[in-house]
Amino acid sequence: ELKVEQNPLFLSMQEGKNYTIYCNYSTTSDRLYWYRQDPGKSLESLFVLLSNGAVKQEGRLMASLDTKARLSTLHITAAVHDLSATYFCAVDMIKYGNKLVFGAGTILRVKS
Amino acid sequence: NAGVTQTPKFQVLKTGQSMTLQCAQDMNHEYMSWYRQDPGMGLRLIHYSVGAGITDQGEVPNGYNVSRSTTEDFPLRLLSAAPSQTSVYFCASSPRRQVQPQHFGDGTRLSIL
Repeated sequence: ELKVEQNPLFLSMQEGKNYTIYCNYSTTSDRLYWYRQDPGKSLESLFVLLSNGAVKQEGRLMASLDTKARLSTLHITAAVHDLSATYFCAVDMIKYGNKLVFGAGTILRVKS
Repeated sequence: NAGVTQTPKFQVLKTGQSMTLQCAQDMNHEYMSWYRQDPGMGLRLIHYSVGAGITDQGEVPNGYNVSRSTTEDFPLRLLSAAPSQTSVYFCASSPRRQVQPQHFGDGTRLSIL
């Protein structure tokens, strides 16, 4: 059974600081996704990671994937208040028909 | 291009009532799915469909039915609402054979009294 664990579940950080959110998954998967959710809103896709060593960056966010360790990280550089949101990682396996398994989410609060 | 449209946005039901949550997409996506979101648990898959006429169960299917008569629509039916089904429900869609993230609707906030 595919399980996904994120940590930390809650992160309060000061503006300008760096931090990393971790996402571990239990079995080999085909694709890893990072989503952002603002309070009361839908999920917005941030990154899709497909292969070992994949790294993608958008603004102050950088995501990486280590398939051997079954680990993905979402690194936040010089945080700003606008990054406050809940971040989810999710994985799927093509043989199970694109079914996403989500982590519990990391609530990020950036204090100015 | 509307994307994924869910209706209603909010609903309050009494225990034992039935209702249908609507989901429609205009992107010609083969894959559609329903998730429920509960605090501290992420999103959990209820049912999914890989094309018209094909549906299957996800992680938490009990108490819910789905059908997929067209590519565009994927309604979720609550047969006899229970307080444990109070949640936020999201519908999502994606192409089946392309590597694209799933597109999510705005959600339906459902309270069962």
